[in-house]
Amino acid sequence: AQSVTQPDIHITVSEGASLELRCNYSYGATPYLFWYVQSPGQGLQLLLKYFSGDTLVQGIKGFEAEFKRSQSSFNLRKPSVHWSDAAEYFCAVGAESSGDKLTFGTGTRLAVRP
Amino acid sequence: EAGVVQSPRYKIIEKKQPVAFWCNPISGHNTLYWYRQNLGQGPELLIRYENEEAVDDSQLPKDRFSAERLKGVDSTLKIQPAELGDSAVYLCASSLGQHEQYFGPGTRLTVT
Repeated sequence: AQSVTQPDIHITVSEGASLELRCNYSYGATPYLFWYVQSPGQGLQLLLKYFSGDTLVQGIKGFEAEFKRSQSSFNLRKPSVHWSDAAEYFCAVGAESSGDKLTFGTGTRLAVRP
Repeated sequence: EAGVVQSPRYKIIEKKQPVAFWCNPISGHNTLYWYRQNLGQGPELLIRYENEEAVDDSQLPKDRFSAERLKGVDSTLKIQPAELGDSAVYLCASSLGQHEQYFGPGTRLTVT
């Protein structure tokens, strides 16, 4: 069964600082990996996705993520955080063999200090 | 292009009452998902439809939950009777079957 671990429940960074959110997954084959962002009272918005190919993927809002098979990780990064980035971030894993069922991590809540 | 539409956005009911949620997916999306998101958790899949067929309902508590997707477009998720533990956000998502799912804003259910 596939699973996702986001080890950081809360992270606080200063505006303009760099950000890295951790995600580790468990899956036997090559998974599909996603990062979603959820603002309060809103649904989930897709930031970026990895299916195959280049292991460094670029997303919206200046985010990027790197797939590292050897570490079973798909960490999300941003070089300079903006106050509007404060939200909850979810990593998810899916696979064609499971009908694209997404398994989500428990999320990381990001706070941004002025 | 309109996104996934859900209604109502908020619902407060007393336990043992019935409740229904409605979802209108993105036009042309043949796959529709219902997720439940408990407070402080990630979404968990309840049911997945391919057109009008429920192809994965293994996580749906069938004693009280039901869902339908008539004509392979809109979908309704029902709970009858509701329990206190059903308080959560119910999210609908749709896709073209190419892995990327688009989520609606969700319905926040509070059972008192």
